[in-house]
Amino acid sequence: DIVMTQSPDSLTVSLGERATISCKSSRSLFYSSNNKNYLAWYQQKPGQPPKLLIYWASTREAGVPDRFSGSGSGTDFTLTINSLQAEDVAVYYCHQYFAIPPITFGQGTRLEIK
Amino acid sequence: VQLVESGGGVVQPGRSLRLSCAASGFNFTNFTMHWVRQAPGKGLEWVAVISGDDKIKYYADSVRGRLTISRETPKNTLSLQMIGLRPADTAVYYCARGGPSSSDHPLAWYFDLWGRGTLVTVSS
Repeated sequence: DIVMTQSPDSLTVSLGERATISCKSSRSLFYSSNNKNYLAWYQQKPGQPPKLLIYWASTREAGVPDRFSGSGSGTDFTLTINSLQAEDVAVYYCHQYFAIPPITFGQGTRLEIK
Repeated sequence: VQLVESGGGVVQPGRSLRLSCAASGFNFTNFTMHWVRQAPGKGLEWVAVISGDDKIKYYADSVRGRLTISRETPKNTLSLQMIGLRPADTAVYYCARGGPSSSDHPLAWYFDLWGRGTLVTVSS
């Protein structure tokens, strides 16, 4: 199974500042045949289902603010949130869909406002 | 475009339960569908997947042999039959839409649509 490890587990950032969340996979998520990384990021607010933010490691889902960006390749990935807003308080998960079964998620990173 | 889960509740250990997920607003047949669960205060755990043509099903090791995923295309409904329930199965169960059947690897896809979930509590 591919193990996904996020860091940090929790993060406190001031409004307007940048938040950076790391996700490392135990195997490469890069598929050379199509030049894609099989990695997605989700945002989950309390009492709500997860919401897709980023897929193929760096493609922003329609309607997601451009302050959210994804980067990385192979085994190391980053979710960056620029100009942090109050509504960005949530738990963020990375998700590998390269090797199935099983699909695996990171343990989650809780983002709070300072 | 939405997914709506139902069927959750409180059940004793060893008993059974059937969850449903009603899909609307998109061509249900054309998409792989998943169940993902989340224990109280915990992270996301993938449970099972079914291909759009109903020919491929995969399960997490923790549920194989006890949970069965199925789909009823005429009713646009995804189901999860749960038997031999354990306290560790206590979670919110989400259905999620995966890849389009037209893609090269529909099982290897992100989840772009989620339901709001249904809570299953296994307790005596």
